[in-house]
Amino acid sequence: SQQGEEDPQALSIQEGENATMNCSYKTSINNLQWYRQNSGRGLVHLILIRSNEREKHSGRLRVTLDTSKKSSSLLITASRAADTASYFCATDSYSGGGADGLTFGKGTHLIIQP
Amino acid sequence: NAGVTQTPKFQVLKTGQSMTLQCAQDMNHNSMYWYRQDPGMGLRLIYYSASEGTTDKGEVPNGYNVSRLNKREFSLRLESAAPSQTSVYFCASSEALIRGNSPLHFGNGTRLTVT
Repeated sequence: SQQGEEDPQALSIQEGENATMNCSYKTSINNLQWYRQNSGRGLVHLILIRSNEREKHSGRLRVTLDTSKKSSSLLITASRAADTASYFCATDSYSGGGADGLTFGKGTHLIIQP
Repeated sequence: NAGVTQTPKFQVLKTGQSMTLQCAQDMNHNSMYWYRQDPGMGLRLIYYSASEGTTDKGEVPNGYNVSRLNKREFSLRLESAAPSQTSVYFCASSEALIRGNSPLHFGNGTRLTVT
């Protein structure tokens, strides 16, 4: 079953613009992570944000987390053609332990137009 | 560092055939995972291994078996392939023994077609 759901499913913007993707989830979490997947490749980890954090930055990426609304957003500033990829949020759910993987959403496909 | 290595990269099977997907990681990670990715479905967890010597079912385990051969290697076996198992299979590993506490590192996938 899907825990996280990204929105929009697809996004096309001009190079240099900012891109914002959203993720909603259903149950309480310990952490939320964002991943990028280039066509034909595996997923690459971008950022992990813990449930007691509200915002986190990494280079041109900014992630916010609102646990009261069970939602997160990923902002990519000054987009580049190389940012074209699918972006996934992934959540654990609070279970007190167990390394039983993350639950991924279906992803947002981002296209950066040159 | 190679990270997570999956073999083969592509495979075509006929219905009823068997095969094993191989995965190895060189990061000394405790936990390893097998996911499948289907269009419109995102990634779904098949099996995972929290540590060497343990394996557990994920969301979609039917039709699959796994072996955690040692700390480095985690294989996925299809005993009798079905067209519904046509998918892209990803192996991943992480340091964490506690869910979600550390990133997953993914291999580049095995693209399997069952005819």
